[in-house]
Amino acid sequence: GAVVSQHPSWVICKSGTSVKIECRSLDFQATTMFWYRQFPKQSLMLMATSNEGSKATYEQGVEKDKFLINHASLTLSTLTVTSAHPEDSSFYICSAWTAGGDTQYFGPGTRLTVL
Amino acid sequence: KQEVTQIPAALSVPEGENLVLNCSFTDSAIYNLQWFRQDPGKGLTSLLLIQSSQREQTSGRLNASLDKSSGRSTLYIAASQPGDSATYLCAVPSGGYQKVTFGIGTKLQVIP
Repeated sequence: GAVVSQHPSWVICKSGTSVKIECRSLDFQATTMFWYRQFPKQSLMLMATSNEGSKATYEQGVEKDKFLINHASLTLSTLTVTSAHPEDSSFYICSAWTAGGDTQYFGPGTRLTVL
Repeated sequence: KQEVTQIPAALSVPEGENLVLNCSFTDSAIYNLQWFRQDPGKGLTSLLLIQSSQREQTSGRLNASLDKSSGRSTLYIAASQPGDSATYLCAVPSGGYQKVTFGIGTKLQVIP
């Protein structure tokens, strides 16, 4: 079946630094990927839609200058959390639909802790 | 705006019991509904996807039904096992192509 990977699986950083998270579709091409954030005991909240070769589309309330998304190829999207602060600590998950859109596959997630 | 509610929020059952998880949504104009499983600290695993033209889907001990008109879906788990312990999420399309809204999930614990 289709596989989506994320790297790193966890990261700890100091406040004010930037962190890059990669999302890759390993065995299929994805023109569109999605980035979600999940706080403890809450559901996944869509942050943005990553579009290959064009700008990302952000959900209301998500700062596009803080969460930089780059979809450089059909198999890779990156999320960069710039000038991270403790309130950015969360579980970040990406997803992609297979061609034909019959099933959505999720990455294993990245746990970000900002000290 | 699509809103998704899952009941119950948590459920603890003895091994072997059959159980039903509920998902309701406010906007019934959907083209599919998907059920996922999430283990603690992990990503999501797709369990079942039901197209709007279908009323149910089955995979092993899992059966999901969809009633669009009433805005409801149920996930039935037969003969539960300790390995079924996880949080179960339903996801419903909302506000754009391939975009979905998740419920908060039902945390299931199956006691040996």
